[in-house]
Amino acid sequence: DAGVTQSPTHLIKTRGQQVTLRCSPKSGHDTVSWYQQALGQGPQFIFQYYEEEERQRGNFPDRFSGHQFPNYSSELNVNALLLGDSALYLCASSLAIRGPTYNEQFFGPGTRLTVL
Amino acid sequence: GEDVEQSLFLSVREGDSSVINCTYTDSSSTYLYWYKQEPGAGLQLLTYIFSNMDMKQDQRLTVLLNKKDKHLSLRIADTQTGDSAIYFCADEGGGADGLTFGKGTHLIIQP
Repeated sequence: DAGVTQSPTHLIKTRGQQVTLRCSPKSGHDTVSWYQQALGQGPQFIFQYYEEEERQRGNFPDRFSGHQFPNYSSELNVNALLLGDSALYLCASSLAIRGPTYNEQFFGPGTRLTVL
Repeated sequence: GEDVEQSLFLSVREGDSSVINCTYTDSSSTYLYWYKQEPGAGLQLLTYIFSNMDMKQDQRLTVLLNKKDKHLSLRIADTQTGDSAIYFCADEGGGADGLTFGKGTHLIIQP
């Protein structure tokens, strides 16, 4: 059973460009969350997708957008890249369960984005 | 907003116990997690604890939760060189699906 996969593994862009990162969730999972991990920091929640809609969003500008496809895979798009967007972007998948119950998120290996 | 704090470094001798501490501010936290990140890798879930529990043990790992003080700790017994990594405490607030992470504690193992 493949876990969470992300592509590409590394990416170099220049300021002002746009980038698309991809994530395939663990088999059987229907929810995808995206996190940004800057160097020396903990991951920060960007947003979560469920049933092809953005369900919740962290404190990130509108330059960060996403999409979820019918097969539950997801894309993260970042427009007008800034130097400060350089980070490891992590995707996590989970199974949506109603109510206050344990809902483990499985993380992918991440995409390392460098903005020059 | 919600905040999770951890000390940045911990150095222990091989074979000793490691205790990594974390404090959080969200009083509505339902689950609290410990993740491990090795160099160049993603996050691996080590263990978690539900907010109505005081302690959870899982082989070499012991999690202690003091909900009154909003303090969480992870004890690793018989620390080995393979335990060298960054350990993140994460908080899942009530009704929130995104995890709030601390900055991570670098665990350094001395021979």
